[in-house]
Amino acid sequence: EAQVTQNPRYLITVTGKKLTVTCSQNMNHEYMSWYRQDPGLGLRQIYYSMNVEVTDKGDVPEGYKVSRKEKRNFPLILESPSPNQTSLYFCASSIGLAGADTQYFGPGTRLTVL
Amino acid sequence: RKEVEQDPGPFNVPEGATVAFNCTYSNSASQSFFWYRQDCRKEPKLLMSVYSSGNEDGRFTAQLNRASQYISLLIRDSKLSDSATYLCVVNPVKAAGNKLTFGGGTRVLVKP
Repeated sequence: EAQVTQNPRYLITVTGKKLTVTCSQNMNHEYMSWYRQDPGLGLRQIYYSMNVEVTDKGDVPEGYKVSRKEKRNFPLILESPSPNQTSLYFCASSIGLAGADTQYFGPGTRLTVL
Repeated sequence: RKEVEQDPGPFNVPEGATVAFNCTYSNSASQSFFWYRQDCRKEPKLLMSVYSSGNEDGRFTAQLNRASQYISLLIRDSKLSDSATYLCVVNPVKAAGNKLTFGGGTRVLVKP
């Protein structure tokens, strides 16, 4: 089954404790991205990647890191999480450029930073 | 002004009725437009792309008005299962054109 998976689905952590949210897709998609969704603000892009070893900032990259060492994986790293990073996070992939192709979203990761 | 704006609703719709709502965008050079559906805190899923000539998919009709810079979604014969948040998505064609901008969503509640 074609899908985007994320882990963990739920995470409660404390300020400053480094964490990684994994994202993997099995559709051989070139483009992957991370979004956060907050009430009243909608989905905002954090980082995106057009291919292996190619990443770029989205609208709200501060406090996050990403890497794209393999085509299928695009982990999101929070080196020192803070409470304002409490949010619902979605990973997404698409076969080509985001503007022209359907985005396939993972199931989401609900992160709480205390 | 936000790049993509939507009425958050909720739109309370009797089952079987028609509901329509718009989404406005600020960048006149935008090229691609989409409607996504999101069920309560689940992942968004593509509902339909929006083409210049307008397009229909079953009970759903999407229109694009470039002159006034808005897109619309109309749902006919509403079903209870249509209850969801509908996200307007626009490609503002910045730089490499690889970024989508999402509206805040319009919540639709279909009631018996």
